[in-house]
Amino acid sequence: DTGVSQDPRHKITKRGQNVTFRCDPISEHNRLYWYRQTLGQGPEFLTYFQNEAQLEKSRLLSDRFSAERPKGSFSTLEIQRTEQGDSAMYLCASSLLAVSYNEQFFGPGTRLTVL
Amino acid sequence: RKEVEQDPGPFNVPEGATVAFNCTYSNSASQSFFWYRQDCRKEPKLLMSVYSSGNEDGRFTAQLNRASQYISLLIRDSKLSDSATYLCVVNPTGTTTGNQFYFGTGTSLTVIP
Repeated sequence: DTGVSQDPRHKITKRGQNVTFRCDPISEHNRLYWYRQTLGQGPEFLTYFQNEAQLEKSRLLSDRFSAERPKGSFSTLEIQRTEQGDSAMYLCASSLLAVSYNEQFFGPGTRLTVL
Repeated sequence: RKEVEQDPGPFNVPEGATVAFNCTYSNSASQSFFWYRQDCRKEPKLLMSVYSSGNEDGRFTAQLNRASQYISLLIRDSKLSDSATYLCVVNPTGTTTGNQFYFGTGTSLTVIP
């Protein structure tokens, strides 16, 4: 499968614990995005990278959240001191910067449950 | 005001019906527009991009109205397999600069036998 992959697919953790998610984009894609989606809502933008540079972060991304893309390939999203309100689906998407439309391709997501 | 607004539905239509969804956006400088489809507990998948002149892909037609700042999706001859949530997506700043993508809350469609 040459699409976007995410790991783990599901994560259950206790409040206060740290969690880390991984995203592997489509190999030639230079842009990578993180989104959060809760039930009945569309995905909400968290942050995005162009190659290894983190170019934009949402106000939703509190100090407890950090994302990296150290070599411009895979990315990690870490949430420290998780809270119950962090429970959501975390989606990763990638795209190829081009002169035409910048369509995003999504991974299957990581579903986080904070108890 | 939200960047993107959609009627959440639900829309329940019989097989073979034609159904249309609208989506409004607030930033008049928006450059790129998309419709994504999301099945229950799955990731969003690109259905179609929306071009200025409008575009069609089989039973699906997308239109853009810049003056009124809305995009639409028309589905003809609905199939049971069209049942899903349809997400409107707007990129306010184009492809080469800042790149936040804004998603609507989605419109739920159920096609009934």
